[in-house]
Amino acid sequence: KAGVTQTPRYLIKTRGQQVTLSCSPISGHRSVSWYQQTPGQGLQFLFEYFSETQRNKGNFPGRFSGRQFSNSRSEMNVSTLELGDSALYLCASSLEVGGPFLYFGPGTRLLVL
Amino acid sequence: DAKTTQPPSMDCAEGRAANLPCNHSTISGNEYVYWYRQIHSQGPQYIIHGLKNNETNEMASLIITEDRKSSTLILPHATLRDTAVYYCIVSLNTGTASKLTFGTGTRLQVTL
Repeated sequence: KAGVTQTPRYLIKTRGQQVTLSCSPISGHRSVSWYQQTPGQGLQFLFEYFSETQRNKGNFPGRFSGRQFSNSRSEMNVSTLELGDSALYLCASSLEVGGPFLYFGPGTRLLVL
Repeated sequence: DAKTTQPPSMDCAEGRAANLPCNHSTISGNEYVYWYRQIHSQGPQYIIHGLKNNETNEMASLIITEDRKSSTLILPHATLRDTAVYYCIVSLNTGTASKLTFGTGTRLQVTL
């Protein structure tokens, strides 16, 4: 069974731009969660989607948003990029909402200049 | 969710057992202990979890003290491929479980 895939793997943007990241969960998994990882803050939960609905949300500004499609694929969008948004963005899938077993993808490394 | 405390780093010789401790003194009765690890530049990988009893799978063993205030992850025969950051997480096994709070973890360095 294929694992979680994320595209693109690397991305360079400039301040003020917006970016969209994509995540395809493991086949049959209906929940997708997003995490941000930075050297200073570690791994931080962004949000979780299940059946196209946001079920949990972390403490991030409204510039960070996401959505889930009927095939469980998910996208996250960051608008008006700031230098501090440079991070590894990780997507994780699980069978049901709330996990508890999360399967992480390889991540998208975003650099904001 | 209860907070956890882990040593920032540990070393282990290849072939020896690696014992990674975790303190979670404020854990509540229905919270589970989860262990994940993150190998450099990869996403975290689930290792094992438990509630009260000790658990073992093909990757590791989890020993939880009787009062559940601490636990130890044991890698019985560490290899160089086990070099990673290990996260101990305490969370409810319910609809909020995916909102896992990853601390700073323990950086395990396995050496020859």
